[in-house]
Amino acid sequence: DQQVKQNSPSLSVQEGRISILNCDYTNSMFDYFLWYKKYPAEGPTFLISISSIKDKNEDGRFTVFLNKSAKHLSLHIVPSQPGDSAVYFCAAKVLYAGGTSYGKLTFGQGTILTVHP
Amino acid sequence: ETGVTQSPTHLIKTRGQQVTLRCSSQSGHNTVSWYQQALGQGPQFIFQYYREEENGRGNFPPRFSGLQFPNYSSELNVNALELDDSALYLCASSLGGTSGVDTQYFGPGTRLTVL
Repeated sequence: DQQVKQNSPSLSVQEGRISILNCDYTNSMFDYFLWYKKYPAEGPTFLISISSIKDKNEDGRFTVFLNKSAKHLSLHIVPSQPGDSAVYFCAAKVLYAGGTSYGKLTFGQGTILTVHP
Repeated sequence: ETGVTQSPTHLIKTRGQQVTLRCSSQSGHNTVSWYQQALGQGPQFIFQYYREEENGRGNFPPRFSGLQFPNYSSELNVNALELDDSALYLCASSLGGTSGVDTQYFGPGTRLTVL
């Protein structure tokens, strides 16, 4: 049961253009969402997050949008740079479960982003 | 500030053997989570330790077990290895507590191959 899905295995964009990575989820209990970037031979690196009480969060070139009714979120990277080429993972969690912080992150399958110079 | 470190980097074992993977959490973090990432998939949650106690577990059999030490470093033990256990094992540390919003910071992982 894939609760978090990234339906595009790969995305190719030109340097300077916008990259849009998409993510869908099925579990309505999820109330916190994160994006991680992963280079080969490295662990995932945290990029940006958003709480379900917001619909947008921005950090420099990265903006995450959340559409709760559609159970959909997206990551926009503007402008895209060759150094952004990596695998991007969407992750979701339930903030409170049983009264304590429960750290289980549920990840999507990842999208390989390639930014061409 | 020291990041999350894991050892060893790579490991080759045969079916039926046992393996121990190690993780040192980021300075100041008291929570460690372990994930298994199969090829072409996203990481899957194995379990989490908060202040030396297991604080949640994913859909993994009991032959996957763990420990957290007083300095908050952690071990993942896998008994009776199976071919499907071949994967990248990721450790993530976080501040934990009851805030819920504890960003997890990942180590580089241990690549386990079971032959």
